[in-house]
Amino acid sequence: DTAVSQTPKYLVTQMGNDKSIKCEQNLGHDTMYWYKQDSKKFLKIMFSYNNKELIINETVPNRFSPKSPDKAHLNLHINSLELGDSAVYFCASSLGTSQYFGPGTRLLVL
Amino acid sequence: EDQVTQSPEALRLQEGESSSLNCSYTVSGLRGLFWYRQDPGKGPEFLFTLYSAGEEKEKERLKATLTKKESFLHITAPKPEDSATYLCAVLDGGNEKLTFGTGTRLTIIP
Repeated sequence: DTAVSQTPKYLVTQMGNDKSIKCEQNLGHDTMYWYKQDSKKFLKIMFSYNNKELIINETVPNRFSPKSPDKAHLNLHINSLELGDSAVYFCASSLGTSQYFGPGTRLLVL
Repeated sequence: EDQVTQSPEALRLQEGESSSLNCSYTVSGLRGLFWYRQDPGKGPEFLFTLYSAGEEKEKERLKATLTKKESFLHITAPKPEDSATYLCAVLDGGNEKLTFGTGTRLTIIP
């Protein structure tokens, strides 16, 4: 049973395109997150949703838009992709303080 | 701003050679300190949560300890399968943000 799942696992696309990454958790957690891990492996929070409500919105470009259709899903849509968006994007969920991460989506913008 | 510094950046040990990884932190209101293990190409795997100074947690060959300024991850008689990057993170109770360090890349040589 996969607790936090993401699709796709790999995403290669051209600069200027729009793409989405999907995340689902079957843990019954109330809070979900998006993180970006750069080439130096540094993990940084982007967004957090609690029961479909946005609670953390870090200073990321407004080309990034999270959407939570229900508390088990948090999707990330990226408009007008740029070279600097290339990274690994991780979804996570939590009930209380401990966060559980998905396997990551490796995004490469050419 | 919350800060997490991990040292060393990389550590190579012989199988069975015990050692410790350090995580120094500054946070306005610590709600929890977390240790994660990350294998190449995978998401961070939750290991421990520590909430207050003096607390200790153990799991197999790993033991995490916490003071008011730092945490240690002690690894006793490590095996090659313990090779991974170990990440430390602090949760700020004021803004509910999890701030990660850049990790220690641990290699255990058979």
